[in-house]
Amino acid sequence: DAKTTQPPSMDCAEGRAANLPCNHSTISGNEYVYWYRQIHSQGPQYIIHGLKNNETNEMASLIITEDRKSSTLILPHATLRDTAVYYCIVRVEGDYKLSFGAGTTVTVRA
Amino acid sequence: DGGITQSPKYLFRKEGQNVTLSCEQNLNHDAMYWYRQDPGQGLRLIYYSQIVNDFQKGDIAEGYSVSREKKESFPLTVTSAQKNPTAFYLCASSIDHTTRPQHFGDGTRLSIL
Repeated sequence: DAKTTQPPSMDCAEGRAANLPCNHSTISGNEYVYWYRQIHSQGPQYIIHGLKNNETNEMASLIITEDRKSSTLILPHATLRDTAVYYCIVRVEGDYKLSFGAGTTVTVRA
Repeated sequence: DGGITQSPKYLFRKEGQNVTLSCEQNLNHDAMYWYRQDPGQGLRLIYYSQIVNDFQKGDIAEGYSVSREKKESFPLTVTSAQKNPTAFYLCASSIDHTTRPQHFGDGTRLSIL
């Protein structure tokens, strides 16, 4: 699987959009980008995933660059409950394993 | 509500003892997984099962065993052969093992007395 690079931490103001970057410069054509988040002492929560098109669901939007070498997760209106570690993962179609890196610790401040 | 239930939330094991962690899902998912998470680290795959009565070793299967007798259940046994069992154990499931996302339970924290 391609490796991902995320900033170790970032702060965000409550009510504002949070833009979380992820670099995956060695991604191959059959690898999907997944985003999960983990609140302390809980299991990871699936957020969104995509291959090359931008995706949106009730939680977030995923913007993937045209060359697929990077992506951005957008939380449109961050709340205090969005404080968590966010993981960007690339996964080959058919692969059974999710490989979690260090992630980005996002702190939403009032 | 549909979801994945792991029990117990906290578990203590004595040296030389086997313990079994429960994982039940009512999502009608075919695939189930067990991961281990150590403090400050990512998840590592222990075992996975694509279908009932079938399971495969992951990256760190030594000292662990599983069964998949029912679609809904995928229990994990931590045996005495696992020398460093203290960790946070996470169970997940997915519709299948392709591009569908895995959904996780809230974990079991195992500690050694």
